[in-house]
Amino acid sequence: SQQGEEDPQALSIQEGENATMNCSYKTSINNLQWYRQNSGRGLVHLILIRSNEREKHSGRLRVTLDTSKKSSSLLITASRAADTASYFCATDAEDSSYKLIFGSGTRLLVRP
Amino acid sequence: GAVVSQHPSRVICKSGTSVKIECRSLDFQATTMFWYRQFPKQSLMLMATSNEGSKATYEQGVEKDKFLINHASLTLSTLTVTSAHPEDSSFYICSAYGGGDLDEQFFGPGTRLTVL
Repeated sequence: SQQGEEDPQALSIQEGENATMNCSYKTSINNLQWYRQNSGRGLVHLILIRSNEREKHSGRLRVTLDTSKKSSSLLITASRAADTASYFCATDAEDSSYKLIFGSGTRLLVRP
Repeated sequence: GAVVSQHPSRVICKSGTSVKIECRSLDFQATTMFWYRQFPKQSLMLMATSNEGSKATYEQGVEKDKFLINHASLTLSTLTVTSAHPEDSSFYICSAYGGGDLDEQFFGPGTRLTVL
């Protein structure tokens, strides 16, 4: 079953604006990962944040993790049309640290 | 490094036929492979965990006789959709876990299955 929910389900912004996506999960985790998926394609790993970390940066990406609230956010700064994709968070499953449970995803549209 | 391929990328078949999808780790050995399915505009749902040389572990609600998984080697896992029906039409994605220094899942590009 899916671990958590993401919001918003869909997000439309203008190129250059920032995009923020949120992910909530239900059980305790060892780490949380964010993936990107272009339409009809496989997944691209963006960033992993461990349960003892609160914030992580990678280029224009900033991820935060609040284990007390069981939530994470992904911020994409200075968005580009090429950032248009679906974004998923994934957590490790309770019964296996390397089994992933995906969130419901956010479809991001960046208008040129 | 850490590339996973899937074959075929697209397949169209008639209802009642069986379809085999291959997942290969090209430059590393995968102790574990995972199979997911994804319906349009939805998330990935884990179907089963496949370990080399042993039987796959299926998630609740996934019919093991319907979705046959064989993990014959450390670089190849296959998913066979038996007696496919239109409701089996979906996007099937595999991932491979390398372990050790490759402590993450690497995803294949997916296979689009359409059952007529």
